[in-house]
Amino acid sequence: DVKVTQSSRYLVKRTGEKVFLECVQDMDHENMFWYRQDPGLGLRLIYFSYDVKMKEKGDIPEGYSVSREKKERFSLILESASTNQTSMYLCASSLFHQTRPYEQYFGPGTRLTVT
Amino acid sequence: EDQVTQSPEALRLQEGESSSLNCSYTVSGLRGLFWYRQDPGKGPEFLFTLYSAGEEKEKERLKATLTKKESFLHITAPKPEDSATYLCAVQGVRTGGGNKLTFGTGTQLKVEL
Repeated sequence: DVKVTQSSRYLVKRTGEKVFLECVQDMDHENMFWYRQDPGLGLRLIYFSYDVKMKEKGDIPEGYSVSREKKERFSLILESASTNQTSMYLCASSLFHQTRPYEQYFGPGTRLTVT
Repeated sequence: EDQVTQSPEALRLQEGESSSLNCSYTVSGLRGLFWYRQDPGKGPEFLFTLYSAGEEKEKERLKATLTKKESFLHITAPKPEDSATYLCAVQGVRTGGGNKLTFGTGTQLKVEL
């Protein structure tokens, strides 16, 4: 059974703190993704990675960075958390194909509150 | 730029009352369209992938269809456990690397007894 796990279900941080969100997948997938989900805005892509040490910006990368040192692990970093980064954060993974996309499998999400 | 519009935003059905959810998309060459189900406070759960117009997929009470401009998720004789938000996502030829998807904002379905 496919599995994507995220380090925390709920997280409360203070403004200015550095925040680490971790994601691990056990499916040997090449692609990994970080999204945030806000009411009325849907899922928005922050960063993605198609290989170890490779990363590409998504639609809303400002204020975030990522790290992928191992194939199974993809970390999202909030360098200096701000209240507008309060959101649900979702990690996903998928197989890679040059022209035919595979489905993405999602983790349970991390509800981050920045106060 | 790929765009996905889902309608209606919210739908309330009686148990057994069949209906359809719509996903309209604009892409420069569709590579794939995906349907997901999301329960409150959880991550989306994959349902279907459709790759070309005319394709259909079924799973229990759900059936997904695809045309060149839109996809429908038909729900036949729904039950309360079908209540969830249903998300549609696409990848087009010009979406870029890494198999990125563009998501719609979803249809929130509630099925009542």
